[in-house]
Amino acid sequence: GAVVSQHPSWVICKSGTSVKIECRSLDFQATTMFWYRQFPKQSLMLMATSNEGSKATYEQGVEKDKFLINHASLTLSTLTVTSAHPEDSSFYICSAEPGLIQYNEQFFGPGTRLTVL
Amino acid sequence: GNSVTQMEGPVTLSEEAFLTINCTYTATGYPSLFWYVQYPGEGLQLLLKATKADDKGSNKGFEATYRKETTSFHLEKGSVQVSDSAVYFCAPDPPGAGSYQLTFGKGTKLSVIP
Repeated sequence: GAVVSQHPSWVICKSGTSVKIECRSLDFQATTMFWYRQFPKQSLMLMATSNEGSKATYEQGVEKDKFLINHASLTLSTLTVTSAHPEDSSFYICSAEPGLIQYNEQFFGPGTRLTVL
Repeated sequence: GNSVTQMEGPVTLSEEAFLTINCTYTATGYPSLFWYVQYPGEGLQLLLKATKADDKGSNKGFEATYRKETTSFHLEKGSVQVSDSAVYFCAPDPPGAGSYQLTFGKGTKLSVIP
């Protein structure tokens, strides 16, 4: 089946630093990738939709200058949390949609837990 | 807009009990409907899906039927196991051109005790 990986699986950083999270589709090409965040005991909230080779589309209320998304290839999208603060601590999950074959579903990564001290 | 209402948890059941997690949605047109499961410490996995009215999705003993008339997609399992303990998310995906954009319910935490 289609596999999506994320790296790192968890990260702890100091307030004010930037953190980059990678999302890779391992065995398929993904023209579209999605980034979600999940707070404890909450549902997933879509942050942005990332299309390969173009700018990401951010959901209302998500700061595009704070959450930088780069979808440089058909198998890799990155999310950079710039100048992270404790309120950015969350579980970040990416998903990918295969481009060539109509799977009619998204495949999710295992998530990255970010803790900002 | 699109929205989903999911039965609030947590739900605690004994092993071999019957499970129902209700899910109703509002969406433009006829969305595809998904149930995702999140096991402790892991990411989401697709549990089952249905793409048109009256379709029944099934997997691992779980079932859900796409009910257009009631805009519902309730998840059921006849006999739960301890290994089913997880958080379950209902997610409709509206139709239309372009990428699929899921709208997730708040999730229902299921705990199955021996």
